[in-house]
Amino acid sequence: AQSVSQHNHHVILSEAASLELGCNYSYGGTVNLFWYVQYPGQHLQLLLKYFSGDPLVKGIKGFEAEFIKSKFSFNLRKPSVQWSDTAEYFCAVSYNFGNEKLTFGTGTRLTIIP
Amino acid sequence: EAGVTQFPSHSVIEKGQTVTLRCDPISGHDNLYWYRRVMGKEIKFLLHFVKESKQDESGMPNNRFLAERTGGTYSTLKVQPAELEDSGVYFCASSPEQGPSWTQYFGPGTRLLVL
Repeated sequence: AQSVSQHNHHVILSEAASLELGCNYSYGGTVNLFWYVQYPGQHLQLLLKYFSGDPLVKGIKGFEAEFIKSKFSFNLRKPSVQWSDTAEYFCAVSYNFGNEKLTFGTGTRLTIIP
Repeated sequence: EAGVTQFPSHSVIEKGQTVTLRCDPISGHDNLYWYRRVMGKEIKFLLHFVKESKQDESGMPNNRFLAERTGGTYSTLKVQPAELEDSGVYFCASSPEQGPSWTQYFGPGTRLLVL
């Protein structure tokens, strides 16, 4: 069965620190990759997505992610976090065109200390 | 443009009772998805509607769950009878077209607690 692994369940950082959240997926075929974020009290919203082309994807709020096919990874990065980045982050994948259900990881809770 | 809305926001019921959750997708979105997150676990796909037709219901856990989307607008998800393990957050999402290039827009979720 397809699966997504997010290795960090809870990450605590100080403001201005750099962030990298890991995401690995289990299937080796053609994939579409997503990072969603849920800020406290808000809806899940899309941060960024990868379908094809440049493996380095830029998203909203200064986030980026790099697709490394050989490592089945799609790690999320931000060079300098802010207190407002406190949220839960979800990596997700869909595998086949026309079968666009999302398979999610368990989420990573990010706490930024001012 | 109004986002995806879900009702109720919270529901507390006793084991054996029936609960119906509602999702209103973004206007004009033909694709509607239901997902569920049981506490501490990943968000899991339940099913996908294209207009009023069920495109994929491979994630529905058992026949106590019934989803409908009459007329291709809003959708309901009924759990009857509810069991303790049905507790969790039920998310609805919609997208205008099929295919992975189309973002799924999520609603706020319904928190269901079965006692």
